[in-house]
Amino acid sequence: SAVISQKPSRDICQRGTSLTIQCQVDSQVTMMFWYRQQPGQSLTLIATANQGSEATYESGFVIDKFPISRPNLTFSTLTVSNMSPEDSSIYLCSVDSTDSGANVLTFGAGSRLTVL
Amino acid sequence: GQQLNQSPQSMFIQEGEDVSMNCTSSSIFNTWLWYKQDPGEGPVLLIALYKAGELTSNGRLTAQFGITRKDSFLNISASIPSDVGIYFCAGRGNQGGKLIFGQGTELSVKP
Repeated sequence: SAVISQKPSRDICQRGTSLTIQCQVDSQVTMMFWYRQQPGQSLTLIATANQGSEATYESGFVIDKFPISRPNLTFSTLTVSNMSPEDSSIYLCSVDSTDSGANVLTFGAGSRLTVL
Repeated sequence: GQQLNQSPQSMFIQEGEDVSMNCTSSSIFNTWLWYKQDPGEGPVLLIALYKAGELTSNGRLTAQFGITRKDSFLNISASIPSDVGIYFCAGRGNQGGKLIFGQGTELSVKP
């Protein structure tokens, strides 16, 4: 399955600032996804990063708050804009991988953000 | 929308004990996946299930795709300290659909 590198692995940020998280995959993939995992919670899909077009956002997430880039088939970025303490979460990049012919998700190690 | 209920929320067991956790869905799924998340890491796929009734093992782990296609369980036999972590079920209603995650089961194993 694909190997995903995310950076930063963790950061402490000040309220009102923005941070960009990078996701690099070791092979070309069609679908890349960004998830949020709030403390002690499950994974929530933020958006699907589409190569060559705008990202597709899930209900409750907007482009102004979470702008996403997908310049090619191996790389994507997620920016968390104008951060507040409520944005303190783990942000996970994931890609579709094939397991026995069906699609499963492979995840990066995550970027743990703490907003003060 | 589709919802997954995963239970139990947490478990504290003694090393060597068997563990069982399950997920139920409000609708039919075509795929069930079980992931484990270690502290500071992303979720890692343990077992994937694609057919109703399917029973699949991966070492000490066994998972089943329920006959009704609305539930799945994961068993861990003879638990060891490295089994500690959060286990997530995930399901998909169709091949191109979104993956829905359960709330997670946090497992603690006492040596």
